Amino acid sequence: GAGVSQSPSNKVTEKGKDVELRCDPISGHTALYWYRQRLGQGLEFLIYFQGNSAPDKSGLPSDRFSAERTGESVSTLTIQRTQQEDSAVYLCASSIQDSNQPQHFGDGTRLSIL
Amino acid sequence: AQSVSQHNHHVILSEAASLELGCNYSYGGTVNLFWYVQYPGQHLQLLLKYFSGDPLVKGIKGFEAEFIKSKFSFNLRKPSVQWSDTAEYFCAVNASGGFKTIFGAGTRLFVKA
Repeated sequence: GAGVSQSPSNKVTEKGKDVELRCDPISGHTALYWYRQRLGQGLEFLIYFQGNSAPDKSGLPSDRFSAERTGESVSTLTIQRTQQEDSAVYLCASSIQDSNQPQHFGDGTRLSIL
Repeated sequence: AQSVSQHNHHVILSEAASLELGCNYSYGGTVNLFWYVQYPGQHLQLLLKYFSGDPLVKGIKGFEAEFIKSKFSFNLRKPSVQWSDTAEYFCAVNASGGFKTIFGAGTRLFVKA
């Protein structure tokens, strides 16, 4: 398929462990976004990448969170020393260059911290 | 900072009823506005968007939304809902030319058959 792909779809880990979430955007999409959605809440912006520009990290909640993107391809979101409050669905989206263009979302990674 | 407020968190309607979901945003500049929908078991998808031109925009499945700049609003409407419209609806905004997108908390719509 040509959609946004996220892996794993589910992740259960113990408090204190590091986790890495992966996102494969739609080919040709220069913009890539990460969001967090806690149970019963809306989407919380975390970070976006746009082409070769510096990423906007203003939504990352703490220095335990980091994200990387190689060129215009795969992105990884890493959470270090996970805490129970990190439990949420992490959504990735991609879009073509213009900000007025719609974002195409993946199915998300459901992260559960025990 | 930008913010988006969706006034109704849960809405229950009977089929054929009219729908209006409120969305207000706070941002002083030119904006792009979006409504996304998440049907049960599916990923988020675009319902409609506004970035310029006619403030009344039409989207898929008979939905429309009106941008009222003076009220900082972008309410979603549908004249007659169907059971298949049961879903969660999210309003979102970004600054024109910017990519950071702020979403509202969402409105869960349940349509009774």
